[in-house]
Amino acid sequence: ETGVTQTPRHLVMGMTNKKSLKCEQHLGHNAMYWYKQSAKKPLELMFVYSLEERVENNSVPSRFSPECPNSSHLFLHLHTLQPEDSALYLCASSQVQGPGEQYFGPGTRLTVT
Amino acid sequence: GQQVMQIPQYQHVQEGEDFTTYCNSSTTLSNIQWYKQRPGGHPVFLIQLVKSGEVKKQKRLTFQFGEAKKNSSLHITATQTTDVGTYFCAGLLAGNNRKLIWGLGTSLAVNP
Repeated sequence: ETGVTQTPRHLVMGMTNKKSLKCEQHLGHNAMYWYKQSAKKPLELMFVYSLEERVENNSVPSRFSPECPNSSHLFLHLHTLQPEDSALYLCASSQVQGPGEQYFGPGTRLTVT
Repeated sequence: GQQVMQIPQYQHVQEGEDFTTYCNSSTTLSNIQWYKQRPGGHPVFLIQLVKSGEVKKQKRLTFQFGEAKKNSSLHITATQTTDVGTYFCAGLLAGNNRKLIWGLGTSLAVNP
């Protein structure tokens, strides 16, 4: 499998549930990102991992918890979400060195009920 | 803080008309990248511009990077329905802070 994959593609969860989003990149990159994309809003960078270390956390609520066990995998653990957290969650990867273009996965469409 | 402003936010054209979207950064950029997101899809990397004054073409798409490396444009000649989507610019900050700053995107609709 090539590129960046994300599972699940769609997720509906209640506010009391705990779920995890998974991202895997097959590009040999060493930086990975989580973005949130809401309707009619810009891409919001949530977390950045560079060489498996978290280097950025853009004031994201603690109900979102990232995990990067290795350079190919990235998780986003979700618990006690709010309806306003419903959005498309995109994972991306890039090389730390070089021009830094990012390659995105297809996203997980999350609905919080 | 650093910002990348992108205009217009929306553009509706007749098929065959030209289209341009503009990006302006508050700070000098190391490079500027352009992405396209089709409806229901995810952002896909199109191109990057690195040099001051650089111009690159991809078929009907022309990308420019300003002399001061603070602004950029994407021009589409003779739009087609396949051009529909949102076009994002993203600027890579110069220096040691290799942060990508995203524009808000321009959503293009094309009437057949």
